Amino acid sequence: GIQVEQSPPDLILQEGANSTLRCNFSDSVNNLQWFHQNPWGQLINLFYIPSGTKQNGRLSATTVATERYSLLYISSSQTTDSGVYFCAVGGSYGKLTFGQGTILTVHP
Amino acid sequence: DSGVTQTPKHLITATGQRVTLRCSPRSGDLSVYWYQQSLDQGLQFLIQYYNGEERAKGNILERFSAQQFPDLHSELNLSSLELGDSALYFCASSVEGQNNSPLHFGNGTRLTVT
Repeated sequence: GIQVEQSPPDLILQEGANSTLRCNFSDSVNNLQWFHQNPWGQLINLFYIPSGTKQNGRLSATTVATERYSLLYISSSQTTDSGVYFCAVGGSYGKLTFGQGTILTVHP
Repeated sequence: DSGVTQTPKHLITATGQRVTLRCSPRSGDLSVYWYQQSLDQGLQFLIQYYNGEERAKGNILERFSAQQFPDLHSELNLSSLELGDSALYFCASSVEGQNNSPLHFGNGTRLTVT
């Protein structure tokens, strides 16, 4: 099956800093999504981005499908950005394979 | 609020028992997915239904079964429970049955098997 590798595994930031999270995947995909799991366990869909670039406020994402990676950018980080960020990829139908996540901690 | 409703939020039961987890998808979504999140295995895809039909199967144990009803809500049945089944079980829904629309997750059911 598809392998998904996220880096870095852990990231500690001061409020206001910028960061880049990376997701590498082992095969061609037609579905890539980024999720944020907050400290209460809720999984929030950030982006559906099988290719190209999207922006939503302080967050943006870029997927280069031909090179099998995606990047999530967080600018001017806030304490509420803390949590785990997951990249999930899929081929056909709904079988999304999740990476192990990047644990982000933002200190005030 | 994602619009996906899962009940119950917490469930504590004993080994060997059977439980049923319930999920109502977002209004208009036809596809329902079940995922298991545990510390050692991460987020694992279990099964997908689209408009009442099973569409894809993942790492779902034979002791587990699911179905999607005509009103599109879904239930995940876990039987002969073992300690290792303790996990957070998520339901997600999407509009499409194909792999081309965003997934929206419920808040999960935390299952503890003692």
